[in-house]
Amino acid sequence: QFALTQPPAASGTPGQRVTISCSGSSSNIGSNNVNWFQQLPGTAPQLLIYSYDQRPSGVPDRFSGSKSGTSASLAISGLQSGDEADYYCAAWDDSVNGVVFGGGTKLTVL
Amino acid sequence: QVQLVESGGGVVQPGKSLRLSCAASGFTFSGYAMHWVRQAPGKGLEWVALISYDGSIKYHAESVKGRFSISRDNSKSTLHLQINSLRAEDTAVYHCARSLTVPGTTPHLDSWGQGTLVTVSS
Repeated sequence: QFALTQPPAASGTPGQRVTISCSGSSSNIGSNNVNWFQQLPGTAPQLLIYSYDQRPSGVPDRFSGSKSGTSASLAISGLQSGDEADYYCAAWDDSVNGVVFGGGTKLTVL
Repeated sequence: QVQLVESGGGVVQPGKSLRLSCAASGFTFSGYAMHWVRQAPGKGLEWVALISYDGSIKYHAESVKGRFSISRDNSKSTLHLQINSLRAEDTAVYHCARSLTVPGTTPHLDSWGQGTLVTVSS
């Protein structure tokens, strides 16, 4: 249903490192930048990572992004309870001339 | 500081129309492309439309093409979304967001409004 595929859920314990994947195709991730957004409960989404691996000012370096072929990944190290949120990847898609989002991954800190 | 405040949402009957607005402040509105992104209750994000900084370029998602129309008034730092022929599946919180990246590339969407809820129900 979504052009970008994310696992619906992920979890980890405090201090652990977790990775969230985002799988796409040649028309989106394969040829365009990938951005990641964090949506804390009850709030608007916030830009977390842009252009695969760049962090906006204020985003801690515990968050990192990478890309390989038509897939991208978000890694969160030193997991904290405040990281519990929904995470979305997004990219421009040349085949539909629009932005496509992943379905979102709900991160739980156990 | 950057502020984006949406308005115009409400409960609307199927088939009716609505016009959403997004008032921008704290930055040079005319220098940014603007987007609408919606989120149905309990669901993920869905991109709706974008407009270039000067209004000359517009893109709409396939799911809303022909029914939704994005526009902007740079003199009033305001973004609009005209929604026609509303359907139940249009029920969502509608967020506006800004981006410095040019249309046709992945937008940064570095600031978002809190959104306005549109509920389509008879």
